[in-house]
Amino acid sequence: EDQVTQSPEALRLQEGESSSLNCSYTVSGLRGLFWYRQDPGKGPEFLFTLYSAGEEKEKERLKATLTKKESFLHITAPKPEDSATYLCAVPWGFGNEKLTFGTGTRLTIIP
Amino acid sequence: GAGVSQSPSNKVTEKGKDVELRCDPISGHTALYWYRQSLGQGLEFLIYFQGNSAPDKSGLPSDRFSAERTGGSVSTLTIQRTQQEDSAVYLCASSSWDIYEQYFGPGTRLTVT
Repeated sequence: EDQVTQSPEALRLQEGESSSLNCSYTVSGLRGLFWYRQDPGKGPEFLFTLYSAGEEKEKERLKATLTKKESFLHITAPKPEDSATYLCAVPWGFGNEKLTFGTGTRLTIIP
Repeated sequence: GAGVSQSPSNKVTEKGKDVELRCDPISGHTALYWYRQSLGQGLEFLIYFQGNSAPDKSGLPSDRFSAERTGGSVSTLTIQRTQQEDSAVYLCASSSWDIYEQYFGPGTRLTVT
């Protein structure tokens, strides 16, 4: 089973202060990496899928990048509504159907 | 369209009782997954259904846990003789057959007293 480690565990930023979240993984073969956002009391909300090293995807103030060993979620000029726990996951299993999740980074944006 | 729905949203039960948790996947999604999220822990895979194939039960933590999926749609996760360590949020997700991006429901928070 693949291992997924996220850092930092928690991050507090001032509104407008850009930063990056890290997701490192050990895989026997890169089959994709997923980013999710989870608000308190809710299920994870799908954000991005990255399939190959060098790939980048953007959505509003978020940009996800992927290398052979890790992925970054860059947050540019964040707003308080970006506060959430951000989870990354890698697929495993015969058909890549199961996900192994990291424990997440709890992001707080202070107005 | 409607997302994944789960019921109940909260369940408090006494140790030793059986509980049933329900999941309604997104219409047309053939794959359905159950995960468990304990405080401070990552999401833990429990079981996976794909169409009419036999489910992948490799993540179930003990034989007290079982799940079924009727008509390729609604799924029920049953926990027998609940223990305090079963307290967690149980999340259901679904995906279509050709992509494996999973879409999650809001979860059921189970508390065993």
